[in-house]
Amino acid sequence: DAKTTQPPSMDCAEGRAANLPCNHSTISGNEYVYWYRQIHSQGPQYIIHGLKNNETNEMASLIITEDRKSSTLILPHATLRDTAVYYCIVRVANTNAGKSTFGDGTTLTVKP
Amino acid sequence: GAVVSQHPSWVICKSGTSVKIECRSLDFQATTMFWYRQFPKQSLMLMATSNEGSKATYEQGVEKDKFLINHASLTLSTLTVTSAHPEDSSFYICSATPLSGEQFFGPGTRLTVL
Repeated sequence: DAKTTQPPSMDCAEGRAANLPCNHSTISGNEYVYWYRQIHSQGPQYIIHGLKNNETNEMASLIITEDRKSSTLILPHATLRDTAVYYCIVRVANTNAGKSTFGDGTTLTVKP
Repeated sequence: GAVVSQHPSWVICKSGTSVKIECRSLDFQATTMFWYRQFPKQSLMLMATSNEGSKATYEQGVEKDKFLINHASLTLSTLTVTSAHPEDSSFYICSATPLSGEQFFGPGTRLTVL
């Protein structure tokens, strides 16, 4: 699985958009970009994933660059409950053989 | 989304005893389950990949005789920490993957070995 690099920490003001970057320059053509988040002492929670097109769901938006070497997770209106560690992962999807390898993630702190 | 449960959510045991942790996919069949370990302030580390009906595949550095994995059905995988020691104290997380390839994580099990 390709590796990812993320900034170790970020702050965001409550109500503002949080933009979390991720570099995955060695991503393969069949690997998807997945984002999870982990709130203290809980299991990771799925947020969103994509292959090459931008994606949006009720939680967030995912912007993937045209060369697929980086992506940005956008939380449009961050709340205090969005404080968590956010992990960007690349893995083969749509097959049960694709395991997720976690990097260090970004600790997002949403401040009032 | 699909639900994955773990039992127990936390366990405290004496050094030298064995502890079994269960991972269940509640509303889907999981042909593959993964086991992770997470130490305080660190990321999740993959321990092993468990496929239903076959032997688990362990990551480098993970002792297969210490961390016994059984995946006897499409909805249940168990991790047994044998002869647990204080250094095995950690947060153990499983994930389950249906044929669609999505990966759903359990809530984790906090193991404390005294």
